[in-house]
Amino acid sequence: KNEVEQSPQNLTAQEGEFITINCSYSVGISALHWLQQHPGGGIVSLFMLSSGKKKHGRLIATINIQEKHSSLHITASHPRDSAVYICAVETSGSRLTFGEGTQLTVNP
Amino acid sequence: GAVVSQHPSRVICKSGTSVKIECRSLDFQATTMFWYRQFPKQSLMLMATSNEGSKATYEQGVEKDKFLINHASLTLSTLTVTSAHPEDSSFYICRVTSGGPPDTQYFGPGTRLTVL
Repeated sequence: KNEVEQSPQNLTAQEGEFITINCSYSVGISALHWLQQHPGGGIVSLFMLSSGKKKHGRLIATINIQEKHSSLHITASHPRDSAVYICAVETSGSRLTFGEGTQLTVNP
Repeated sequence: GAVVSQHPSRVICKSGTSVKIECRSLDFQATTMFWYRQFPKQSLMLMATSNEGSKATYEQGVEKDKFLINHASLTLSTLTVTSAHPEDSSFYICRVTSGGPPDTQYFGPGTRLTVL
């Protein structure tokens, strides 16, 4: 069993739909990161969470430390949101362990 | 603008040659740089962690004599793939932390290595 598990692996949505990607982890963490990777490979850091909820534009990230679970929500999805979304947990020494990613495709 | 650069972005080389990949932090001092490798459809795998002025710490299974890491300054780390083979073809990406406020971490744009 991986230390970080994401679901779903693949997600196809229509433009405008509300999207949720889930992440569960099994280790103690200092923080959890949500990352976005575009087809070219570049990675953008979306959120770093240690508790509660953060919002940036149409993106919302939540974390429940007791349940070791986090969700990334995208409201009013758009084709430009199509990318791989990666959950990563941070442990000692700023070390990151990555989930396998969720491939999101938003169709117009 | 980008705060971490990698060079080259793409490289194709013959089997047996060595390839050097540079990771630079542009706007801040990078106390720690992490090197990752990503094969198609897989997650990023940590290869090594480097701190400025000290030897890199390699993950289990990563050959330190094959993947040479030099972190000579607070803004530059290099990864050299020595005697590259086709199985080394992958996407190599660096991650930089400053040791400063939370959220201060950035990924480089990555280097796509193809070994023929």
